[in-house]
Amino acid sequence: DGGITQSPKYLFRKEGQNVTLSCEQNLNHDAMYWYRQDPGQGLRLIYYSQIVNDFQKGDIAEGYSVSREKKESFPLTVTSAQKNPTAFYLCASSPGTTGDTQYFGPGTRLTVL
Amino acid sequence: GIQVEQSPPDLILQEGANSTLRCNFSDSVNNLQWFHQNPWGQLINLFYIPSGTKQNGRLSATTVATERYSLLYISSSQTTDSGVYFCAAASTGFQKLVFGTGTRLLVSP
Repeated sequence: DGGITQSPKYLFRKEGQNVTLSCEQNLNHDAMYWYRQDPGQGLRLIYYSQIVNDFQKGDIAEGYSVSREKKESFPLTVTSAQKNPTAFYLCASSPGTTGDTQYFGPGTRLTVL
Repeated sequence: GIQVEQSPPDLILQEGANSTLRCNFSDSVNNLQWFHQNPWGQLINLFYIPSGTKQNGRLSATTVATERYSLLYISSSQTTDSGVYFCAAASTGFQKLVFGTGTRLLVSP
């Protein structure tokens, strides 16, 4: 089946630890995105990538890092520098970057203990 | 950057009722999407509609780009329509979707 997968579904982290969230797509899409959603809020863009080995900061990139070594994979690392990391993280992809439908994965719920 | 506002923030309906959700945006758009977020958090694409009108079953959407708004119509609502509906838009020339804060819909039996 074609689609976007994220893992794990739930993640618990101790303060001071870095964690990496996985996002994989087999849709052959060029562009991939990471969003953060806080309770009762809309989504905010963390990072996006238009092509392999290239990525740009979104609106709330501080405390996060990404890589795009393969077209199908766009992992997100939540570092210890992120002051309030507890949130729901959603990955998306689109065929291109301008005027294209974005498709979303099922999300990862991160809780810092 | 572009601003996206949705109304109403909350909506409670009896099963079978119709509803209209509104999305206002502050700039010209080359991308406007409506999503439904289910209780498990999954965002489901409803419409890609930067202009014009589309229909899919009981749902339809209209975007009037010149007046900078979009409407999502839900007819004969069902309990499975409950959840949060998001509008998201990207300005012409930019790639980044900006999301509204959503309309939380509860359909009671």
